[in-house]
Amino acid sequence: GIQVEQSPPDLILQEGANSTLRCNFSDSVNNLQWFHQNPWGQLINLFYIPSGTKQNGRLSATTVATERYSLLYISSSQTTDSGVYFCASSKGSARQLTFGSGTQLTVLP
Amino acid sequence: NAGVTQTPKFQVLKTGQSMTLQCAQDMNHNSMYWYRQDPGMGLRLIYYSASEGTTDKGEVPNGYNVSRLNKREFSLRLESAAPSQTSVYFCASRRTGEKLFFGSGTQLSVL
Repeated sequence: GIQVEQSPPDLILQEGANSTLRCNFSDSVNNLQWFHQNPWGQLINLFYIPSGTKQNGRLSATTVATERYSLLYISSSQTTDSGVYFCASSKGSARQLTFGSGTQLTVLP
Repeated sequence: NAGVTQTPKFQVLKTGQSMTLQCAQDMNHNSMYWYRQDPGMGLRLIYYSASEGTTDKGEVPNGYNVSRLNKREFSLRLESAAPSQTSVYFCASRRTGEKLFFGSGTQLSVL
């Protein structure tokens, strides 16, 4: 199956700072998604982005499928951005997503 | 629109006891999934159902069974719980080629 690696594993920021989270995958994929797990454990889907760039407020994501990576950008970070960010992908007709181990983000006030 | 609803939210079992985790979605999604999350391990797929009437094993299926009761409901059963099954369990659903949506999770402890 696909291997999904995320970096960095941990990130501590001051409120207002920008950050970039990276997701590398081992094979060509046709499905790439980003999720945020808040400190209460709730998992929220941020982006479905198999290729190209999307933006949603202060968050944006870019996937370069041919080079097997995706980036999640967080601008002007807020304390509510804290939590774990996961990427997940699948290839071909596979219905199941493989998750990376996540990036733990802490935004300090 | 409730999305993906899981019950119960918390459960404590003794080793050897059985239980069923329930999941229902109201978004008319064809695919449904059960994941477990352990500290430092990310999310691992237990079973999934690509459509009503079909189920397939994921990465960690041992010790579990599933039933896709209808298009809305997908249950996960532990026949004889073991301490290694202590985890947080998430149900999820999606339409093919679209976003995956998660339930709020079930925290299970097996003593």
